[in-house]
Amino acid sequence: IQLTQSPSFLSASVGDRVTITCRASQDISSSLAWYQQRSGKAPNLLIYAASSLQSGVPSRFSGSGFGTEFTLTISSLQPEDFATYYCQQLNSYPLTFGGGTKVEI
Amino acid sequence: QVHLVESGGGVVQPGRSLRLSCTASGFTFRTYVMYWVRQAPGKGLEWVTAISDDGDNKYYADSVKGRFTISRDNTKNTLYLQMNSLRVEDTAVYYCARDLSPGPLVGASHWGQGTLVTVSS
Repeated sequence: IQLTQSPSFLSASVGDRVTITCRASQDISSSLAWYQQRSGKAPNLLIYAASSLQSGVPSRFSGSGFGTEFTLTISSLQPEDFATYYCQQLNSYPLTFGGGTKVEI
Repeated sequence: QVHLVESGGGVVQPGRSLRLSCTASGFTFRTYVMYWVRQAPGKGLEWVTAISDDGDNKYYADSVKGRFTISRDNTKNTLYLQMNSLRVEDTAVYYCARDLSPGPLVGASHWGQGTLVTVSS
């Protein structure tokens, strides 16, 4: 299953509302996770099961979608949110990641 | 507190082998699916392989199938990745990771710090 993220690069300002899209090449139900990765660090799980917020993750992050189209939304971008974001499908093996979206100032 | 610590990375020549280890603590290791995920320098995340909680089921990305073998020792709380016939394109930071909860896969909530594997002549 291939995952296509868009955009691959996003320039935004603090306070902006940001939306990242992830499209799957086939129906994956709600088996999608979103991760944030800051430079030089391991990824951090933000959203699982397409829309469930991982414990400890700020509520400005939200996920939605089902089937083949999914979105990650950051309602008000904060300085610590400048990072790269990845989606991952867990519907079937081999598990796959999207290509990533780099969010920069 | 969950801890995952990878070891075994280093510089290796193409065609040679390397074995990575991931020592787990702070949770009941034998009840979780475990993964290896890698990231080549400046590139995105690539899922490599996964193993079921009991070690009976193993899954691989096409890019490593037939060359890499995942295994686990639930008595030692340790995950392994045996990498044979290494290629330059296997150069990456290798992370071990654990799913959020036992049962159906939902996402990797805990990650190690990563270990760098460099394949170069």
